[in-house]
Amino acid sequence: GENVEQHPSTLSVQEGDSAVIKCTYSDSASNYFPWYKQELGKRPQLIIDIRSNVGEKKDQRIAVTLNKTAKHFSLHITETQPEDSAVYFCAATQTGNTPLVFGKGTRLSVIA
Amino acid sequence: AAGVIQSPRHLIKEKRETATLKCYPIPRHDTVYWYQQGPGQDPQFLISFYEKMQSDKGSIPDRFSAQQFSDYHSELNMSSLELGDSALYFCASSSTGLAGYEQYFGPGTRLTVT
Repeated sequence: GENVEQHPSTLSVQEGDSAVIKCTYSDSASNYFPWYKQELGKRPQLIIDIRSNVGEKKDQRIAVTLNKTAKHFSLHITETQPEDSAVYFCAATQTGNTPLVFGKGTRLSVIA
Repeated sequence: AAGVIQSPRHLIKEKRETATLKCYPIPRHDTVYWYQQGPGQDPQFLISFYEKMQSDKGSIPDRFSAQQFSDYHSELNMSSLELGDSALYFCASSSTGLAGYEQYFGPGTRLTVT
C-alpha cells in the first residue's frame, strides 16, 4: 500500500519568511496530492491540492510542486503570518473516491 | 455552502460501552470516509462507502462497524470500547463528479473512553 513520508516534523520561521514542507510517496499509482491545515482540535482543512498531470499549482501565498518521477511533492508558503501557525499534513491517493494516506504532519510555528 | 455534519461533537463513554457516531455528507457527494485521529497523530483511514456500498476498508477494528443509509448519511458503530479508542473521529465526503477528488472533513466527534 501507499506510504507517505513528511519532513520536517516541526518548523519554526520568522514572520514574513518562507516555509517549505516536503513529502515523498511510494505508490506510483497515486494521482492526487492534497495538503491540509489543521489547528488544534479542529478539522483538517484543504488548502491546496495537485493532480499528477500538473507540475505546479499556486494560490496566493501558497504553492505546491510535484515531481512524479521522483515521487515527491512540496508545499511552499511565502510571506508567512502568525495565523499560518498550525499542523500541515500532506496526503496521497489514487482517485476521487479512494482513501487518503497522510504524512505524519509538520507543526509550523510562525514567530512574530 | 453546506458542509459535512457530524454528531455528536463530544462523547464520553466507559470501557466496554457502545457508541454511535453520525455523519451527514455534503449534498450530492457520493463517497463518505471515516478517519480516526489520535492525539498528535495523523488521521488514519477506517472505512469508506461509495453510493451506499462499502468501498474500502482500512484499519478498522472488528469491534467497529459502519453503514451508509438511503439518505447518504453514515453511522459508525463502536462496541466494547477500549481506552485506546479515545480519539477524534472525522467523517469526510467527496464527489466523483466534475468537481473531482477533494475530500472535505466534518468538524469531528471527540470520543473519550474512561
